[in-house]
Formats: sequence, C-alpha cells, structure tokens
Amino acid sequence: AQSVAQPEDQVNVAEGNPLTVKCTYSVSGNPYLFWYVQYPNRGLQFLLQYITGDTLVKGSYGFEAEFNKSQTSFHLKKPSALVSDSALYFCAVRDGVNTGFQKLVFGTGTRLLVSP
Amino acid sequence: DAGVIQSPRHEVTEMGQEVTLRCKPISGHNSLFWYRQTMMRGLELLIYFNNNVPIDDSGMPEDRFSAKMPNASFSTLKIQPSEPRDSAVYFCASSLVLLAGPTGELFFGEGSRLTVL
Repeated sequence: AQSVAQPEDQVNVAEGNPLTVKCTYSVSGNPYLFWYVQYPNRGLQFLLQYITGDTLVKGSYGFEAEFNKSQTSFHLKKPSALVSDSALYFCAVRDGVNTGFQKLVFGTGTRLLVSP
Repeated sequence: DAGVIQSPRHEVTEMGQEVTLRCKPISGHNSLFWYRQTMMRGLELLIYFNNNVPIDDSGMPEDRFSAKMPNASFSTLKIQPSEPRDSAVYFCASSLVLLAGPTGELFFGEGSRLTVL
C-alpha cells in the first residue's frame, strides 16, 4: 500500500522566514502526492498536487512543494512565512492503481506555528 | 457553490444511542468520501462512493457503522449503537473523478464533531 510519513509533529518559524514542512513517500509506480491544510475547526483545504515530471509544484497561498525522486520526498515550502499560515498541514498520497478511483491516504500531520 | 455541507456540526449523545451524520456533496461531483479524525489515529478513510455506489468500505470500523448514498446529492453515516470510542470529528469530502483524467482535489466539509458520553 502507498504511504506517506511526516517526521515532524510541529515546525516553528518566525514570520518572514522561509518554512519547510517535510514529507516522504513510499509508493509503487508513479506517485500521486498532495498537500492539504487544516485551520482550527475547519475541514481540510487543498494546497497543491504533484504532477508527473515537475520537480517544483506551485500551489495556493504562495506555497510550493519540491519533489525529489531519489530521496522519495515531497517537502512543502514557502519563501516567507506569515502568522496566518499557522495551521495543521497534511501530506497525502493516492492509494489504489485504478485511475478512476481516488482514495487518499493522509500522513499524521505537522503543526506549523509562525511567530510574529 | 456552497461547498460540501455537513450536519450536524456538533453532536453530543449518550452511549448506546443512534447517531446519523449527513452530507451534501458539491453538485456535479461523482465521488464522496467519509473520513474520521482523532488525535490518536489521525485521518482515517472510512468509506468512499463513486456514482453513489460504495467502492471501498474497508475502513469502516465495525458493523455498528453504516453509510448510504441514496442519490448524488446526499449521504449519511450512521452509528448504531454509539460508543465513547466513536468520539471524533467526521468529515465528508467530495470530488470529481474522471476516468481518463488526472486525480482531482478533494473538497472537505467543515466536519461533524461527535461526542459520545
């Protein structure tokens, strides 16, 4: 089965500094990878997804993710963090080989805290 | 579009009672997913439907849980009887999945927070 791992429970960064939230994956075949964000008491919101061939994927709210096949990683990045970026971030991978069906398996989540 | 709509937002019930959670997916979406979120287990996929048909219910914890999708605009997740360990936030999500296209994003509802006493 496909899986993702988020090694950090929490990431702390000062406003204005670059941020990285880590994710590694384990898949057979082509990886279909995603990042979602969850604000307090809200549902998850889509940030971006990996499209085969790209190494840098741009998403919503200024976020981007760097795909590295040799390191099996898909780290989320942002050049300059905002306090409003503080939230819970989930990496996800599509499980199942049938193109028609999309079953996402989520990582454990990483809490991002951006201090003023 | 109003997005994925879930009700109730909060439910507090006593052990043994029946609980029904409701979901209205985004119009035009053909796939619907029920997830459960807890501190201990994170986000777990319970079941998903495609074109109103259950495709994978392997995540449903036990027979006390059941889900239905009688039409494209409505789904329910029922727990009977409920137990304290069922306390969690239950999310419904919908998506438009195209057989010949790329994987689309999931749109999540705001969740239903269930507390079983």
